[in-house]
Amino acid sequence: SQQGEEDPQALSIQEGENATMNCSYKTSINNLQWYRQNSGRGLVHLILIRSNEREKHSGRLRVTLDTSKKSSSLLITASRAADTASYFCATTGANNLFFGTGTRLTVIP
Amino acid sequence: NAGVTQTPKFQVLKTGQSMTLQCAQDMNHNSMYWYRQDPGMGLRLIYYSASEGTTDKGEVPNGYNVSRLNKREFSLRLESAAPSQTSVYFCASSEIINQPQHFGDGTRLSIL
Repeated sequence: SQQGEEDPQALSIQEGENATMNCSYKTSINNLQWYRQNSGRGLVHLILIRSNEREKHSGRLRVTLDTSKKSSSLLITASRAADTASYFCATTGANNLFFGTGTRLTVIP
Repeated sequence: NAGVTQTPKFQVLKTGQSMTLQCAQDMNHNSMYWYRQDPGMGLRLIYYSASEGTTDKGEVPNGYNVSRLNKREFSLRLESAAPSQTSVYFCASSEIINQPQHFGDGTRLSIL
């Protein structure tokens, strides 16, 4: 399976702190995407990084990709209570995405 | 609001019953997908449609069928529901394959 695996499974931080979650995958990819899921809702796309990119920023989000280690990280800076959610990485295969099992982030006000 | 609409939101079935989950998108996307989400398993792809007129199996297609009715609509059918199909089902769409996906809010399906 090409499925990504996030680490840690759960993370609890204070508001204002930074949150880092990691994703490892098994095979070569076209791109890697990060999604957020609030409780009881569908997934929301956050950011896409292509296999030839090493770092990408979007607002308070920073994503890195190391294809030699088959890993990616998502950094959320200056976290807010509203960032409480599950975060998933998704890697692209030939024609579809493979999602990891997610990191559950809790930001304590 | 533009997006992906799934119906119904909740459903309880008895083992052996059949059911069709409906999905429609109004973003003129070419590709559509069906996933199931189980606790601790992340999302697993059931079927996808890269473009109107085509459908392909994903990671866990057994027990399901799909129909790409037109560019907007992609339905998922359970012919004979089994308790192992109790899950939350998500439909998603993207402009083309492998690009960012937009998700509906899911159908919570329980099979007794």
